[in-house]
Amino acid sequence: QVQLQESGPGLVRPSETLSLTCNVSGGSVTSYYWSWIRQPPGKGLEWIAYMFHSGVTSYNPSLRSRLTMSVDTSKNQFSLNLSSVTAADTAVYYCARGGGGGYDVSTNSLSWYFDLWGRGTLVTVSS
Amino acid sequence: EIVMTQSPATLSVSPGERATLSCRASQSVGSYLAWYQQRPGQAPRLLIYGASTRATGIPVRFSGSGSGTQFTLTISSLQSEDFAVYYCQQYKTWPPGTFGQGTKVEIK
Repeated sequence: QVQLQESGPGLVRPSETLSLTCNVSGGSVTSYYWSWIRQPPGKGLEWIAYMFHSGVTSYNPSLRSRLTMSVDTSKNQFSLNLSSVTAADTAVYYCARGGGGGYDVSTNSLSWYFDLWGRGTLVTVSS
Repeated sequence: EIVMTQSPATLSVSPGERATLSCRASQSVGSYLAWYQQRPGQAPRLLIYGASTRATGIPVRFSGSGSGTQFTLTISSLQSEDFAVYYCQQYKTWPPGTFGQGTKVEIK
């Protein structure tokens, strides 16, 4: 069955760029839409971005100016870059698969619920 | 942005009893509502989508209902593995998809 595994540095310095990768095993990264979701320690969930291998992307407006998401079909993985990080970006970062959803006509965007999650990776922003 | 509000923040229930969790949306989301379970130290797991459809492998003791702005997740007879935090998520308006702040179900 399909499994997701996040990887990346556990510690990032303030103002630098956080870079994470999610490896997809047991299936093809070209078959689904993929998302990043984060959870600050002791807090709730925040959707960050989604992407399809064709280049279709959607970013959380609150983070859009600092985000880049990409898919590498040759490695069967997808990645997230979040620039200019601060302590507020400290969180467990999850990669997840869009299992189904809908379509928001007002924003011309697909929408998703998430049926498969990675185990998550804790990223701490600190000097 | 649609705001999702869950209540109560903490629910104390005895094993075998029924648990009823609520989720309210700041505007109508139709049936574009999902529920997730998160056990300590684990990733969230999809329970319900479309407000009332159980995800693959989810026991029948979990049921979802509601539409528009008011939703309910019911666990008919709590098992030990059900003590966890539960989140609702709307996917009607995007971006962003928004989650509630969670309800913790604890052992009474």
